[in-house]
Amino acid sequence: NAGVTQTPKFRILKIGQSMTLQCTQDMNHNYMYWYRQDPGMGLKLIYYSVGAGITDKGEVPNGYNVSRSTTEDFPLRLELAAPSQTSVYFCASSYGQGGYNEQFFGPGTRLTVL
Amino acid sequence: GESVGLHLPTLSVQEGDNSIINCAYSNSASDYFIWYKQESGKGPQFIIDIRSNMDKRQGQRVTVLLNKTVKHLSLQIAATQPGDSAVYFCAVRTSGSRLTFGEGTQLTVNP
Repeated sequence: NAGVTQTPKFRILKIGQSMTLQCTQDMNHNYMYWYRQDPGMGLKLIYYSVGAGITDKGEVPNGYNVSRSTTEDFPLRLELAAPSQTSVYFCASSYGQGGYNEQFFGPGTRLTVL
Repeated sequence: GESVGLHLPTLSVQEGDNSIINCAYSNSASDYFIWYKQESGKGPQFIIDIRSNMDKRQGQRVTVLLNKTVKHLSLQIAATQPGDSAVYFCAVRTSGSRLTFGEGTQLTVNP
């Protein structure tokens, strides 16, 4: 199993540009998550999904959108990039049954908005 | 809501010593806790977890202690090795499957 994979690894955007961060998991997990991690800080939840077709906001959803059309994929969309969105983005997945399960993380996407 | 904090942002130990990393949480209803390790340039990696019906859980060279009375969680690493150098995060289940993460402790192991 590859686990959780993310593309791209790095990206530089100009203010106002848009992009999609890709996330795929091959563990048949129902639950998937997007986090951002600013330098020296913990992870903040952006959006999460409890299954295909179901998504919900986390702590910091503004400026982002998600979709979940399949169990495997959970892309994160930035429509109008702003410097405040410069961060490292992590996708994670879990079995999610009752919350008593660890989240498995991808390697991250480092995004810079100039 | 839930807030999660760590007592020390950095910890430096000698190789072979035991390390203790601490975490405090605010919500007495929290019932599931996880420690993650994050090496430079990588995603967080699961170390160990504990449920609120337990006070202690042991893994390979790691022990997690939970004190629900004072809402405190600790991670103990025995015989710390250079490969243990990383940032360690505690995470607390808030609702459903959502986790709230602390800000992390940078552990440095000196040879």
